[in-house]
Amino acid sequence: QQQVKQSPQSLIVQKGGIPIINCAYENTAFDYFPWYQQFPGKGPALLIAIRPDVSEKKEGRFTISFNKSAKQFSLHIMDSQPGDSATYFCAATESSGGSYIPTFGRGTSLIVHP
Amino acid sequence: NAGVTQTPKFQVLKTGQSMTLQCAQDMNHEYMSWYRQDPGMGLRLIHYSVGAGITDQGEVPNGYNVSRSTTEDFPLRLLSAAPSQTSVYFCASSGAGWKRTDTQYFGPGTRLTVL
Repeated sequence: QQQVKQSPQSLIVQKGGIPIINCAYENTAFDYFPWYQQFPGKGPALLIAIRPDVSEKKEGRFTISFNKSAKQFSLHIMDSQPGDSATYFCAATESSGGSYIPTFGRGTSLIVHP
Repeated sequence: NAGVTQTPKFQVLKTGQSMTLQCAQDMNHEYMSWYRQDPGMGLRLIHYSVGAGITDQGEVPNGYNVSRSTTEDFPLRLLSAAPSQTSVYFCASSGAGWKRTDTQYFGPGTRLTVL
């Protein structure tokens, strides 16, 4: 059972475009929602994260939008650049569960053309 | 700090061979975990540990063993390699308790091919 569903699986945009990656979750106990960025040949690294007490968080060109009632959250990349080409994973964690092990979406491969 | 280190970076095995993937972290993190990454499948949890001497199974544990004798090290053992275990393996760590970090810190990965 896939607890965090991520879409689309792949995404191609032109430089300057605004790619949007969406995630939906089932477990209402999730209370931490990070996004990880992975470049080819590297391990994933935290990009930005949000908690359910806010509806939006911005860090530079990256924005998370969070809809608690719909159990959905999304990543927007403003003014995308070729250097943003990477695989993006959303995740969700239940802090009270004790293990703090996140559940990951299946990833979105983003290509930004010059 | 070196963060999370993994060795080897690449490995080729024959079916039936055994090997150990090494993982070490120098951040004094309690939590460590192993993931495998396959195309279209994302990151799937194999095993994890919430502290020295404590391990538990993740989503895809079959064919893998782990142990956690120290806080720093969390090796992953393939008992009898199969072609289905061809994948990229990532180790990750995070802090707990008063050192808690919600962020997972990933190693650079080990690319394993089983022939």
